[in-house]
Amino acid sequence: DSGVTQTPKHLITATGQRVTLRCSPRSGDLSVYWYQQSLDQGLQFLIQYYNGEERAKGNILERFSAQQFPDLHSELNLSSLELGDSALYFCASSVEEGDYGYTFGSGTRLTVV
Amino acid sequence: SQQGEEDPQALSIQEGENATMNCSYKTSINNLQWYRQNSGRGLVHLILIRSNEREKHSGRLRVTLDTSKKSSSLLITASRAADTASYFCATYSGAGSYQLTFGKGTKLSVIP
Repeated sequence: DSGVTQTPKHLITATGQRVTLRCSPRSGDLSVYWYQQSLDQGLQFLIQYYNGEERAKGNILERFSAQQFPDLHSELNLSSLELGDSALYFCASSVEEGDYGYTFGSGTRLTVV
Repeated sequence: SQQGEEDPQALSIQEGENATMNCSYKTSINNLQWYRQNSGRGLVHLILIRSNEREKHSGRLRVTLDTSKKSSSLLITASRAADTASYFCATYSGAGSYQLTFGKGTKLSVIP
C-alpha cells in the first residue's frame, strides 16, 4: 500500500457517459497530480493541484475537469466519454512541489464501451 | 509530449545478469527520476538524481547522469525474476513547471 488511495479500481461505462475518479493523497502530501496512461501515448500529465489550488494543466481535454477539496482529496471528472478515453488513470502525490519523488496510487482502469 | 526517451524499449536477460537501461532527454533539468511499474499497477519511485550529481546508488541500483549529453542510465545488478517490470525515467525541469514528464519506458524481462 503506497498510501495513495484511488477508487474505483475498475470502471466500465458506455460512450457519452460521465464518471468521477477519486484520489486520496498520502498523508501530509500537499501536491496531487493526475496522469493518463495508454498504450500508444504512454504516461500523459493531465493536471496538478497544490494545497487546494490548480497549479498546472497538461494534455487535459476540455471534457475533463478536476478539483482538490479542503481535505486534499481530489476528483477527476470525465464527461462525454469516448472509446479513446479508455486508459489507466493514475493519481500521484508529493510532499511539496518540485524536487521530490511522487507516490503513485494503483490507478483506475477505465473501459469505455 | 515525452521529454525522456528510454532505450531499449524491451530487454530480456537471465537471472543474475546485469540490466542497463538508458534515458535521453531534450531540455535542461533540475532532477531526473526513475520509476518501476509492474504490469498494470502503480509506479514506484526508485531513485532521484539531481542535476549537480553524477552518480547515485541505492541497493542493487546505480544511476548515472550526464547533463552534457542529456542522458541517464539505470543499472540493475544481479537481476532477479522479481525485477521484471517496466522502468521509466522522468524529468523535472523546474522553472515554474512542477510536474514530472515521463518517457515511454523500458520493458525488462528477467528469465529465471
